[in-house]
Amino acid sequence: KAGVTQTPRYLIKTRGQQVTLSCSPISGHRSVSWYQQTPGQGLQFLFEYFSETQRNKGNFPGRFSGRQFSNSRSEMNVSTLELGDSALYLCASSFPDRETGELFFGEGSRLTVL
Amino acid sequence: AQKITQTQPGMFVQEKEAVTLDCTYDTSDPSYGLFWYKQPSSGEMIFLIYQGSYDQQNATEGRYSLNFQKARKSANLVISASQLGDSAMYFCAMYGNKLVFGAGTILRVKS
Repeated sequence: KAGVTQTPRYLIKTRGQQVTLSCSPISGHRSVSWYQQTPGQGLQFLFEYFSETQRNKGNFPGRFSGRQFSNSRSEMNVSTLELGDSALYLCASSFPDRETGELFFGEGSRLTVL
Repeated sequence: AQKITQTQPGMFVQEKEAVTLDCTYDTSDPSYGLFWYKQPSSGEMIFLIYQGSYDQQNATEGRYSLNFQKARKSANLVISASQLGDSAMYFCAMYGNKLVFGAGTILRVKS
């Protein structure tokens, strides 16, 4: 069974640009959540989507947005990139009960902002 | 608010010995889940073990066991018979309405 797939794995952008990251969850999983990992802040929750609806959101500025499609695939977008947005962005999927179910993570998308 | 504290930035353990990674948590929710994840240098988060707040027994998964002390709000991970491949970053996490991670502990297994 295929795991969580994140694309691209690595990317380099410059300040002011925008970026879109993609996450394909494990087949049958309907919940997708996103996390940002940096050396200084550690792992921080960005948002969670379930059945195309944002169910929960972390404390990030509006430059960070996401969406989920009917096939449960999710994208996150960061606009007007800043140097501090350089991070590993991790996506996780789960099914059926997010309160007790295991979260399966992808390998992440490593973003470098120059 | 939920909070996870991992007080050990780094740990060393001799191969084949057991090691305990500390984790304390704080939450006002009566129902929550506690997780441990392993993150090797490749970046992927690997699920190790889960403990529900209402579970009476400590969770075990192979060489991993979770020492759950609810009154003390601690959920320490015990790895028995350490292997070189256990060298990685380990995160304790708690799920209330979102997954909150601790700062992590880097474990290095020495041969």
